Amino acid sequence: ETGVTQSPTHLIKTRGQQVTLRCSSQSGHNTVSWYQQALGQGPQFIFQYYREEENGRGNFPPRFSGLQFPNYSSELNVNALELDDSALYLCASIAGGPGSGNEQFFGPGTRLTVL
Amino acid sequence: AQSVTQLGSHVSVSEGALVLLRCNYSSSVPPYLFWYVQYPNQGLQLLLKYTSAATLVKGINGFEAEFKKSETSFHLTKPSAHMSDAAEYFCAVAYGNNRLAFGKGNQVVVIP
Repeated sequence: ETGVTQSPTHLIKTRGQQVTLRCSSQSGHNTVSWYQQALGQGPQFIFQYYREEENGRGNFPPRFSGLQFPNYSSELNVNALELDDSALYLCASIAGGPGSGNEQFFGPGTRLTVL
Repeated sequence: AQSVTQLGSHVSVSEGALVLLRCNYSSSVPPYLFWYVQYPNQGLQLLLKYTSAATLVKGINGFEAEFKKSETSFHLTKPSAHMSDAAEYFCAVAYGNNRLAFGKGNQVVVIP
């Protein structure tokens, strides 16, 4: 069984640019959540996708957006990058839907650096 | 709002000594609580979770945690530290459809 995968592993962008991060959920997992982990901090919930629709959002501005595809994979898009967007972005997938209480399986993350 | 407090960002423990990481939570409803471990340049791995069954929860790698409602705590322990336990540990509470609120983490250093 393939776990959660994320691409790219590392990314360097400059302020004002746009970035797309990708996540493939674990086989059969229909819910995907995205988290931002700044250096020295715990992960912060960005948003969650279920059945291709956003199903809850944390305290992040609209320039953070996402998609979920029919195969349950997901993208995180960030527009107008700021220096503070530099962080590790983690994707997590869940089996059984958002309210299942099931374990979230995390990918290895994408390290984004904004210069 | 649900939140988690972990005190002491860095924790040093001698090899073979007790590992104790403290976690206090704030939740308006009976919580789901988790401990995750993060090794360098890796994602988060679940150590254990509390879901309102037994208050003493056993996890992987010899870790366990005890849920104490009266103290709103979910401290993580391991009787004997091993060098491979050096990592960052996060306590988290689930709210609203499996969203996780994490503490700031404890960086554990194991001294030979």
